Amino acid sequence: DIQMTQSPSSLSASVGDRVTITCRASQSISSYLNWYQQKPGKAPKLLIYVATTLQSGVPSRVSGSGSGTEFTLTISSLQPEDFATYYCQQSYSFPWTFGQGTKVEIK
Amino acid sequence: QVQLQESGPGLVKPSQTLSLTCIVSNGSISSGGYYWSWIRQPAGKGLEWIGRIYASGTTNYNPSLKSRVTISVDTWKNQFSLKLTSVTAADTAVYYCAREGIHDLNYDFWGQGILVTVSS
Repeated sequence: DIQMTQSPSSLSASVGDRVTITCRASQSISSYLNWYQQKPGKAPKLLIYVATTLQSGVPSRVSGSGSGTEFTLTISSLQPEDFATYYCQQSYSFPWTFGQGTKVEIK
Repeated sequence: QVQLQESGPGLVKPSQTLSLTCIVSNGSISSGGYYWSWIRQPAGKGLEWIGRIYASGTTNYNPSLKSRVTISVDTWKNQFSLKLTSVTAADTAVYYCAREGIHDLNYDFWGQGILVTVSS
């Protein structure tokens, strides 16, 4: 199985901060990398797919980059509604696997 | 837009079979273009892919669960189902159904999730 490792596991940030989350794959996954946001008690929400494409309706302050084994999710100016847990997911090789999550908390 | 809704027992006894159904509305499973998937999340933990099915009945399963999992589809009722046999406490989780695009391979629509507890 391809292991997906996110860093950090959690972070504290303030409204307006720039936040970057990293996701590393245990082997190359080309650009088959998706990012999701999950709030407590809710289903995950798709933010970014194929590493860099913004899902319809997701604000432009959210962006994704990377290919191969290293990927980043960036929120350019953190807003109150962005405090949540973020997961990366690879869809290159079965079984699809997710990172362990990064919790973004209010400082 | 497409809506998915999980249903089934919230409590299952150890060694028994967990059975869940996902009803799809505002979109037809039989029209193709999407896989229909099951994903689970134990409390306070990450997400685990269980498997998926296409309208034709073609399935893919997580090898870690493959011996116990069956996903089926009923295109007439526009729903798909999950059966997980020989459950233990480790199978206690929120179970989500979701739609996966066949080209982009991402989950763009999810059900709200259903908590299934395995306990005697």
